[in-house]
Amino acid sequence: QKEVEQDPGPLSVPEGAIVSLNCTYSNSAFQYFMWYRQYSRKGPELLMYTYSSGNKEDGRFTAQVDKSSKYISLFIRDSQPSDSATYLCAMTLGYTGANSKLTFGKGITLSVRP
Amino acid sequence: SAVISQKPSRDICQRGTSLTIQCQVDSQVTMMFWYRQQPGQSLTLIATANQGSEATYESGFVIDKFPISRPNLTFSTLTVSNMSPEDSSIYLCSVGAGSQPQHFGDGTRLSIL
Repeated sequence: QKEVEQDPGPLSVPEGAIVSLNCTYSNSAFQYFMWYRQYSRKGPELLMYTYSSGNKEDGRFTAQVDKSSKYISLFIRDSQPSDSATYLCAMTLGYTGANSKLTFGKGITLSVRP
Repeated sequence: SAVISQKPSRDICQRGTSLTIQCQVDSQVTMMFWYRQQPGQSLTLIATANQGSEATYESGFVIDKFPISRPNLTFSTLTVSNMSPEDSSIYLCSVGAGSQPQHFGDGTRLSIL
């Protein structure tokens, strides 16, 4: 079993749809959870990050962590064509020293149709 | 967040040759990381580069193949040595700053013929 599993996609939705992107993980020691967005020919861009369980909202984006189920989600409301990108979930034990290694899902490519 | 510049942005190389990738940050950072992104695969950490100490390599990656330098707090290089087609990938530099998540450069897209 991989440490982080992400829905493989690709995913195509119409503009305005609500998008749900999900990852599961096996290591219960992970404490910090991130979502990166990667446009074609660009590096991953940090979109949202959360510590431990709970929800975090930023505009049209909501990140959700359920540590008891080892499950994280990213919701995108009122999706726009500009949201078309690859979304990567990532997690880490911490931000310092040996704990700072990021473990990624494979990423899911989202296409929002006008 | 820090601005991270990687050079070259892309290259096409012959097998058996080596390429050095540079990563420059606009502020001093403690931790710099090198990742590999292969098609259809997860972004994978190659090594962590801390200034003043040897790089720490992840399982499956060795210094002879991927030598790393970290001469100061704003700069690092990754060399991909004796390249083969299997080394065709995107190589990414990231930086970490204390209590903040890592930020990435735009990567180096490397093709080996």
